[in-house]
Amino acid sequence: SAVISQKPSRDICQRGTSLTIQCQVDSQVTMMFWYRQQPGQSLTLIATANQGSEATYESGFVIDKFPISRPNLTFSTLTVSNMSPEDSSIYLCSVEGLASDTQYFGPGTRLTVL
Amino acid sequence: AQRVTQPEKLLSVFKGAPVELKCNYSYSGSPELFWYVQYSRQRLQLLLRHISRESIKGFTADLNKGETSFHLKKPFAQEEDSAMYYCALRGAGSYQLTFGKGTKLSVIP
Repeated sequence: SAVISQKPSRDICQRGTSLTIQCQVDSQVTMMFWYRQQPGQSLTLIATANQGSEATYESGFVIDKFPISRPNLTFSTLTVSNMSPEDSSIYLCSVEGLASDTQYFGPGTRLTVL
Repeated sequence: AQRVTQPEKLLSVFKGAPVELKCNYSYSGSPELFWYVQYSRQRLQLLLRHISRESIKGFTADLNKGETSFHLKKPFAQEEDSAMYYCALRGAGSYQLTFGKGTKLSVIP
């Protein structure tokens, strides 16, 4: 299985600011995903990040709010823009390996917006 | 649209008792089903998937297409099984996982 790290692990931010979350994998992976887990809720897929192409966003999520970068096969970033308290969530990165069709998850980033 | 339902938000059982965590799904096709587990202060990790038909940590799950269910079972619960359990579905040809809301299992000593 892949080893996945996320930075930061947690942050407290002010309304109207932006935060960029980094996801690093220890091996090359085909697919990287970003999920959101709001308090008391399940995981919801925000977008799929493919290297060398634009991210694919799920219904209800837009690029202006959640811009994503995928510069190579081991790294991706998710930015939460113009934050409001409703963006307070855990944001998780997951990957699907080149030799596996199973998704592995990072430790998550706990975001609190005041 | 695909959907995963876990009807129990919290399930408490005594140590040594059997455990069954329920999962029902809605999908018009042949899905792939997974169980993920999140222990306290740890990341979400794959427990098992239906195509593997294996037993992990004593847990098993059988896909019942007639009842559209993928319940997770263990004959004798252990305290270390206390965790949050999520059922997830992936449609044919898709990478996207759809998760249920999760069931918190508490094993009472």
